[in-house]
Amino acid sequence: RKEVEQDPGPFNVPEGATVAFNCTYSNSASQSFFWYRQDCRKEPKLLMSVYSSGNEDGRFTAQLNRASQYISLLIRDSKLSDSATYLCVVTYTGGFKTIFGAGTRLFVKA
Amino acid sequence: DAGVIQSPRHEVTEMGQEVTLRCKPISGHNSLFWYRQTMMRGLELLIYFNNNVPIDDSGMPEDRFSAKMPNASFSTLKIQPSEPRDSAVYFCASSLGGLWTVSNQPQHFGDGTRLSIL
Repeated sequence: RKEVEQDPGPFNVPEGATVAFNCTYSNSASQSFFWYRQDCRKEPKLLMSVYSSGNEDGRFTAQLNRASQYISLLIRDSKLSDSATYLCVVTYTGGFKTIFGAGTRLFVKA
Repeated sequence: DAGVIQSPRHEVTEMGQEVTLRCKPISGHNSLFWYRQTMMRGLELLIYFNNNVPIDDSGMPEDRFSAKMPNASFSTLKIQPSEPRDSAVYFCASSLGGLWTVSNQPQHFGDGTRLSIL
């Protein structure tokens, strides 16, 4: 079993739709959590950190459930520009052990 | 502000040649990471430095790969001899944070080096 697992993609949604991604992690010693976005042939870029209480940034909402060991990302009112691969990232103590999920591909269509 | 700077952006070379990839982390960041990304294997952590010291190189695929960080502003990843299966995008990333502190600081990636070994 992989340490960090994500929903298999791709997700194909129309503009304006709400879409949710889940990510599970296996190590309960996990400390920090992030969602990154990676566009085709580009580097991963931080989308948002994930806090225990959940957090929102515009159309994006991230949730953390430590008991069930998963994090989620909700995108509301999807835009064409949201089309990308979304990577779940889990970091362990000291930040030196970082595991990236395989990514979930999102296609938003007009 | 300058981000993580990698060079070269693209490298095409023949099998057996030595390849050197370069990275300049964000000023003030004390952690540096080298990753490799392929379609088949996704993003793999190769090695991690903290305060210029290699901490975890368990992801380095084999002895043909080596990495150095002679100072806080420069790191290299070397492949010698190179093989076609080394073809991938190699990313360097940097962040704040140390070994013994809980780190909620994200990593910032460079543009990557697209490496093709013929």
